[in-house]
Amino acid sequence: DTAVSQTPKYLVTQMGNDKSIKCEQNLGHDTMYWYKQDSKKFLKIMFSYNNKELIINETVPNRFSPKSPDKAHLNLHINSLELGDSAVYFCASSQDGREGKGAFFGQGTRLTVV
Amino acid sequence: SQQGEEDPQALSIQEGENATMNCSYKTSINNLQWYRQNSGRGLVHLILIRSNEREKHSGRLRVTLDTSKKSSSLLITASRAADTASYFCATGANSKLTFGKGITLSVRP
Repeated sequence: DTAVSQTPKYLVTQMGNDKSIKCEQNLGHDTMYWYKQDSKKFLKIMFSYNNKELIINETVPNRFSPKSPDKAHLNLHINSLELGDSAVYFCASSQDGREGKGAFFGQGTRLTVV
Repeated sequence: SQQGEEDPQALSIQEGENATMNCSYKTSINNLQWYRQNSGRGLVHLILIRSNEREKHSGRLRVTLDTSKKSSSLLITASRAADTASYFCATGANSKLTFGKGITLSVRP
């Protein structure tokens, strides 16, 4: 009964490949997010969706394309992977699209591009 | 752009001592939140304080907010070895959470 689950937990792939990370939340939240955490633990928001609608896109390269088939799912597809994409990617969700109630995070997907 | 800046960047204390972590931010906020991240895990929401609040308690946690100085502090009392983790402050505004760089807390048994 995990609240926010993302798969896979680890992903190792070669440069130039295309990969996807899936995220699902069973909390009934309206808003879902993708964050990237670099090797220095700095967390940066990438995307935010509210009821399947994109509301935040923080100047992420076009190679990253989020897809929200319903409000419980927000998947992240990455084309033409580059070495600099190596990081831990976190999915999160919150209630009502407002940050005022705190966000729930998944366990992260460690992406390594070789 | 990064909003919160925590200090110190690393803190090592003995079990039973109190740990104080500070966070400063730059722009207007609706609220400020603190999260904990254990090694290799996701972030866990600890406590949220709204911009019109000055102090809030939750168990062994006490958070303060000074909007005039754009700063917040998180106090963990009677620390335990299990409190060893990275702690992040995050500012909430415009449906977005912006995180600081984090503080690494080590509690020695």
